Amino acid sequence: NAGVTQTPKFQVLKTGQSMTLQCAQDMNHNSMYWYRQDPGMGLRLIYYSASEGTTDKGEVPNGYNVSRLNKREFSLRLESAAPSQTSVYFCASSVGPPRLDTQYFGPGTRLTVL
Amino acid sequence: QQPVQSPQAVILREGEDAVINCSSSKALYSVHWYRQKHGEAPVFLMILLKGGEQKGHEKISASFNEKKQQSSLYLTASQLSYSGTYFCGAAQNDYKLSFGAGTTVTVRA
Repeated sequence: NAGVTQTPKFQVLKTGQSMTLQCAQDMNHNSMYWYRQDPGMGLRLIYYSASEGTTDKGEVPNGYNVSRLNKREFSLRLESAAPSQTSVYFCASSVGPPRLDTQYFGPGTRLTVL
Repeated sequence: QQPVQSPQAVILREGEDAVINCSSSKALYSVHWYRQKHGEAPVFLMILLKGGEQKGHEKISASFNEKKQQSSLYLTASQLSYSGTYFCGAAQNDYKLSFGAGTTVTVRA
């Protein structure tokens, strides 16, 4: 099992460009999440998908959109990138809600917006 | 609302013990603990559920005081491999985990 995979690993964008971060899990998990991590801030939830076909906003959703393509895949889109979106982005998945179950994280995507 | 972790950093020698604390101003369903090495993804250590159930790492222990909305992670007889940044995640509802800012642990030989 590969666990949670993310592509790309690194990306540099110019202000105003768009891109999609891809995430896939092979653990048959129901729930998937997108976090961003900034220095000294810990992890902050951007969007989550409790189950296939549903998505909901997290703590910092502005400037992002998500798609739960199927049970395995959950993508994060930046429509018009801004320097404030420079961060490390982590995708995670879990069997059930984090109230009861652990989350497994992917290796991360390091994004720089110039 | 982000839980508060303390201390921000701790330096240990191999074999020493340390305690990391996590407190929330809101009622918690559960508390998660993760360790992250530089440039890597967070790795699950432990989850503490209301009612006292724990799931996780055999060599690391933790406590969860539901009434005080506090959790503590105990690093006992620390090893070099324990170095990293430790995060607590507070589950305040079903699907949203709020993470603390982290505690950086450095273990020296």
